[in-house]
Amino acid sequence: DIQMTQSPSSLSASVGDTVTITCRASQGISNHLVWFQQQPGKAPKSLIYAPSSLQSGVPSRFSGSGSGTAFTLTISSLQPEDFATYYCQHFNNYPWTFGQGTRVEVK
Amino acid sequence: EVQLLESGGGLVQPGGSLRLSCAASQFTFSSYAMSWVRQTPGKGLEWVSAISSGGDRTYYADSVRGRFTMSRDNSRDTLYLQMNSLRAEDTAMYYCARHTSGRPHDYWGQGTLVTVSS
Repeated sequence: DIQMTQSPSSLSASVGDTVTITCRASQGISNHLVWFQQQPGKAPKSLIYAPSSLQSGVPSRFSGSGSGTAFTLTISSLQPEDFATYYCQHFNNYPWTFGQGTRVEVK
Repeated sequence: EVQLLESGGGLVQPGGSLRLSCAASQFTFSSYAMSWVRQTPGKGLEWVSAISSGGDRTYYADSVRGRFTMSRDNSRDTLYLQMNSLRAEDTAMYYCARHTSGRPHDYWGQGTLVTVSS
C-alpha cells in the first residue's frame, strides 16, 4: 500500500500569513492526489485535485503543486475560516490512502 | 446542489451486523462511482470501499475485506454498506462520497456514526 506522509502535523499561524503543507507518497503517484479541508464536526470538503486544480467555489488563495512523490498545499493570506485540518489523499491505485492530517491553528 | 444523506448507524455489539445507506440526490447517481470513508473519533480518515457506477466492480481496504460488502441500487439512487463481524476498531463516523473522473470524493455526506461496544 502507498503511504502518505504529511508535514507538519500541526502549525500555528496568523490571519494574513502564507502557510505551506507538504505531502509525500511512499512511491510515485503521478498527479493522482487530492487535498481536503475539514472543519471540526463537519465532513471533509474537497479543495484541490490532480494536484493543482481548484474545486469549484474554492478561493484562489488555495493552490497545490507537485508530481510523483512530493506535493504541497499553499494557503496565501490565511483567512479566519481557513483554520482547520487538511488532508491529502492519493488515488493512484487501490487502496486509496490519506495522509494523517495537518491542523492549522491560530497563533 | 449534490446531496448525500447517510443513515443506519448506531450502537452494535462486537460480532454484530449493521447496514448503512446513503441516499443520493440532485445528480445522476447511476453515472458516478462512489466510496465509503470512515473516521475514527479524533483521528484521521480511512478509505473503506469503492464501487463502480454500474455496481459491477467493488474494492475494499484490507481491514474490512471479507466482512463488509458495498452495493448500490441505481433505481433507488441509494448506496449501501453491509457490515458484518463488527469489531471495536470499526467504531467510526462513516461517510459516503462521490467520485468524478480525476476527482475522487468531490462531494461528501454528513456521516453516520457507528459504535461497536458491548
